[in-house]
Amino acid sequence: EAGVAQSPRYKIIEKRQSVAFWCNPISGHATLYWYQQILGQGPKLLIQFQNNGVVDDSQLPKDRFSAERLKGVDSTLKIQPAKLEDSAVYLCASSLDVGNTIYFGEGSWLTVV
Amino acid sequence: GDSVTQMEGPVTLSEEAFLTINCTYTATGYPSLFWYVQYPGEGLQLLLKATKADDKGSNKGFEATYRKETTSFHLEKGSVQVSDSAVYFCALSLNQAGTALIFGKGTTLSVSS
Repeated sequence: EAGVAQSPRYKIIEKRQSVAFWCNPISGHATLYWYQQILGQGPKLLIQFQNNGVVDDSQLPKDRFSAERLKGVDSTLKIQPAKLEDSAVYLCASSLDVGNTIYFGEGSWLTVV
Repeated sequence: GDSVTQMEGPVTLSEEAFLTINCTYTATGYPSLFWYVQYPGEGLQLLLKATKADDKGSNKGFEATYRKETTSFHLEKGSVQVSDSAVYFCALSLNQAGTALIFGKGTTLSVSS
């Protein structure tokens, strides 16, 4: 069974530029998560989807971050404009449903210079 | 608020040494508890979990017991190997619709031969 796929794996951008990350969850998984992991810290939830609806986006900096999961499968996370403090690994994860085991992708590493 | 506290790292051990990584939590209600592991260059992988008090999770020689009285979920292994070198994250889930994993900051383990 294929795991959670993410792209790109690595991205370097200048501050104030924009970037988008893509995630394809495990087939059939209804719940999708985006986490931000800053170096030396644990992952922090940015947004959680259940199918194509947002369940929790309370920690998403909505002035610059946006995410969508239009057809309840793939998802994109966008940052515009980027700040230096956005340098982090962006992890996508999915689970069959809320309360089931959560599986993580390898992450997208963002460096903002 | 709900949170997870892990012992500071890095933890440096010789091969075949005994490992303990402390984890305590603060949560409303009765969470499920998890240990995730992140090997260099890879995504987070679920190592073990426990869903109720006194449950013991185990996998690959690692064990952790859910202690409600001390709000702890310490990770142990009797004899570590070089291949166990990784970052270990303790996490909790509140088992409620709309809640996701809350992670500790992670503990880096380095095992030398």
